[in-house]
Amino acid sequence: AQSVTQPDIHITVSEGASLELRCNYSYGATPYLFWYVQSPGQGLQLLLKYFSGDTLVQGIKGFEAEFKRSQSSFNLRKPSVHWSDAAEYFCAVGALDFNKFYFGSGTKLNVKP
Amino acid sequence: EAQVTQNPRYLITVTGKKLTVTCSQNMNHEYMSWYRQDPGLGLRQIYYSMNVEVTDKGDVPEGYKVSRKEKRNFPLILESPSPNQTSLYFCASSLKGAGNTIYFGEGSWLTVV
Repeated sequence: AQSVTQPDIHITVSEGASLELRCNYSYGATPYLFWYVQSPGQGLQLLLKYFSGDTLVQGIKGFEAEFKRSQSSFNLRKPSVHWSDAAEYFCAVGALDFNKFYFGSGTKLNVKP
Repeated sequence: EAQVTQNPRYLITVTGKKLTVTCSQNMNHEYMSWYRQDPGLGLRQIYYSMNVEVTDKGDVPEGYKVSRKEKRNFPLILESPSPNQTSLYFCASSLKGAGNTIYFGEGSWLTVV
């Protein structure tokens, strides 16, 4: 069955520190991969996406993610976190043959001053 | 401005009283879907629609109905709401399906008492 796992429910980092949020997926074919961010009380905003090509993708707000097929992973990274990055982050897979999207359970990021 | 608009944004209702959450997109997208977001569970797909008059069940369709009579609109209907349908609901659309970026509405907070 298709699934998306975000193993970290909560992460706290200090402002200025680097960040990596983990995402693993289970899907038989080549997936379409997304990272979304949700600020409190807001909808979901697309950070970046991977469809094909270069496995390191750049997104908005200084985020990047790397697709590793051998590890079925699509981890999100940022070299220096800002207080405004505190939010909940969702990894998602677009399963083309089922025409469905599958979301992870989310990772809440807290940023310490 | 490209938008997915859903209404109402906030609603408290009583068990058994039928309600409809409207969703409209102005991007001429073929694919529309509804999700519910619950703590620790991420977003789960309720129903989706590939085009006008074409709808299909997602992962949690029980207790919900949808219709797609026009391309831009995709209302979510709760015929007889129950307290376990208290949740945050998101409407979303994408150009053609799971191979495209999904755009989300701002969410509708629904409480069933």
